[in-house]
Amino acid sequence: DSGVTQTPKHLITATGQRVTLRCSPRSGDLSVYWYQQSLDQGLQFLIQYYNGEERAKGNILERFSAQQFPDLHSELNLSSLELGDSALYFCASSVGPGPYEQYFGPGTRLTVT
Amino acid sequence: AQKITQTQPGMFVQEKEAVTLDCTYDTSDPSYGLFWYKQPSSGEMIFLIYQGSYDQQNATEGRYSLNFQKARKSANLVISASQLGDSAMYFCAMREPQGHTGNQFYFGTGTSLTVIP
Repeated sequence: DSGVTQTPKHLITATGQRVTLRCSPRSGDLSVYWYQQSLDQGLQFLIQYYNGEERAKGNILERFSAQQFPDLHSELNLSSLELGDSALYFCASSVGPGPYEQYFGPGTRLTVT
Repeated sequence: AQKITQTQPGMFVQEKEAVTLDCTYDTSDPSYGLFWYKQPSSGEMIFLIYQGSYDQQNATEGRYSLNFQKARKSANLVISASQLGDSAMYFCAMREPQGHTGNQFYFGTGTSLTVIP
């Protein structure tokens, strides 16, 4: 158990809908990262937050947004969902914004039908 | 160009033998980090080992060691004394700085390791 929690574990929704994925980092970690893992694109870095502020952006679509709250939990919002958004979404956390190892949560499996 | 390349889609190793999983990377930034993660069939991502670009010595964590050859831009993972529980997907990853305090991460396509009894 990495100490990173993600809810829900599974999510099934229809095209065009909007969903919110939630992540709580390990105790003491201030940095949160979001990733998407799909069969065709592999593991893709989406976005990084540190202590409430966005610090780095990867291949995140405009339909996706994220935020980190004062209690350090983070949410990833996915809107206007398409079939291709079906994937495993991971959250990871680390102590700081810099070169620290990340610890991954168990992931949220999103299925768009 | 691919940032992280893992050329072995699948590998087999006999139990108790050592195995090397290959990884090459591409970056022009002098400050970067290299990681290996294990993903069992259950799906979670497990951190194994980290190597910083300025680290002089190869990283080791128990049965895992990272063979870091900076000039060749390679960061191969060596697993010694393989165990059945090592059967999993292994991902090589690289961290590059983005901005002053951000980090961009890149992952390879993974190598599926099967340990044979």
